[in-house]
Amino acid sequence: GENVEQHPSTLSVQEGDSAVIKCTYSDSASNYFPWYKQELGKRPQLIIDIRSNVGEKKDQRIAVTLNKTAKHFSLHITETQPEDSAVYFCAAGGSYIPTFGRGTSLIVHP
Amino acid sequence: SQTIHQWPATLVQPVGSPLSLECTVEGTSNPNLYWYRQAAGRGLQLLFYSVGIGQISSEVPQNLSASRPQDRQFILSSKKLLLSDSGFYLCAWSVTTGSDIQYFGAGTRLSVL
Repeated sequence: GENVEQHPSTLSVQEGDSAVIKCTYSDSASNYFPWYKQELGKRPQLIIDIRSNVGEKKDQRIAVTLNKTAKHFSLHITETQPEDSAVYFCAAGGSYIPTFGRGTSLIVHP
Repeated sequence: SQTIHQWPATLVQPVGSPLSLECTVEGTSNPNLYWYRQAAGRGLQLLFYSVGIGQISSEVPQNLSASRPQDRQFILSSKKLLLSDSGFYLCAWSVTTGSDIQYFGAGTRLSVL
């Protein structure tokens, strides 16, 4: 089955800095890569996703890049704000149930 | 628009007692439904998923079970809770099984004492 590794497990940055979270996957058949944000005590919510026919996607301060050859994808957050503090999950899916990474706790210090 | 309801929000149960968590989806037909457990605020462990009424797939063998008595209703049950069943339980739905967004319910925080 699919295996998704996510790093780092914890990321601490100063407000205004950039944050990068990386994920690798094992199954070359995966073609859908969503990122979810989960604030403390709340439900995970999709913030951005990318499909395998695209190399990069951007939405304001958030961007995701995908390298199919290397089987890795990354989340980039620029100009971080305290409200970006949360746990972020990557996932890889295809014709099967998505496999989630173990999550990254992002802490943005004011 | 589609909405997902999950209840109760919080539950405290003694060891050995039964469990029933319910999840319903509105505004869509034949959704794929999922139950996840999240321990210690991290990591989404898939417990069960369903692609249709009466069709349940179990990902992790344990003392929990799931049922889908109606198209948009998904129930997580246990006959006897263990201490290790404590956690944050999330229901989710999607249009397809893999290549699609998952929409999560608000979650149930279960404490087994």
